[in-house]
Amino acid sequence: DAMVIQNPRYQVTQFGKPVTLSCSQTLNHNVMYWYQQKSSQAPKLLFHYYDKDFNNEADTPDNFQSRRPNTSFCFLDIRSPGLGDAAMYLCATSRSRWGGQDEQFFGPGTRLTVL
Amino acid sequence: EDQVTQSPEALRLQEGESSSLNCSYTVSGLRGLFWYRQDPGKGPEFLFTLYSAGEEKEKERLKATLTKKESFLHITAPKPEDSATYLCAVPGGGADGLTFGKGTHLIIQP
Repeated sequence: DAMVIQNPRYQVTQFGKPVTLSCSQTLNHNVMYWYQQKSSQAPKLLFHYYDKDFNNEADTPDNFQSRRPNTSFCFLDIRSPGLGDAAMYLCATSRSRWGGQDEQFFGPGTRLTVL
Repeated sequence: EDQVTQSPEALRLQEGESSSLNCSYTVSGLRGLFWYRQDPGKGPEFLFTLYSAGEEKEKERLKATLTKKESFLHITAPKPEDSATYLCAVPGGGADGLTFGKGTHLIIQP
């Protein structure tokens, strides 16, 4: 089945220690997104890629970076995780970006714990 | 600024007890409204997209409706497996991201 895969499912890191989360997709979708979801809160968009065109949300901290080396893979780098960065990180894809009318398909998420 | 508000925050029903969840939105030019289901520790699962006022979509025990200011997710004769958090979202937050509501946490008791 075509799907969105995230690894690892659970990640524990230490305060200030860089961490990378990965996402891959077999849907061949052009757009990939990263969302942050804290406990009992709505998912919040961090950034998205349309092909290799990177789009950063205005309030996404500089501590968060992303890479998309090819259509299938996307990475989220947190350069110096703080306690406030503990959250579920969700990767999503959609076929196109036009008008935002295509549904987004989400991966299972990576739960990040910062000690 | 686009806003999405869901109510109630939590809802506990008996199996078979029908009810509705509400999603009110404030956007400049609606380009669609999405409903997702999220189980604990998992990513959101797509349910419906609604594009224009008056539109309705159904899937098993769920029916989503849309007006110019709000959307409802009607749950008919729910079962315990319908227990989940239901999220609604609209395109916003930049060119193509989704702006989500906080969700309604639904519990169906046997």
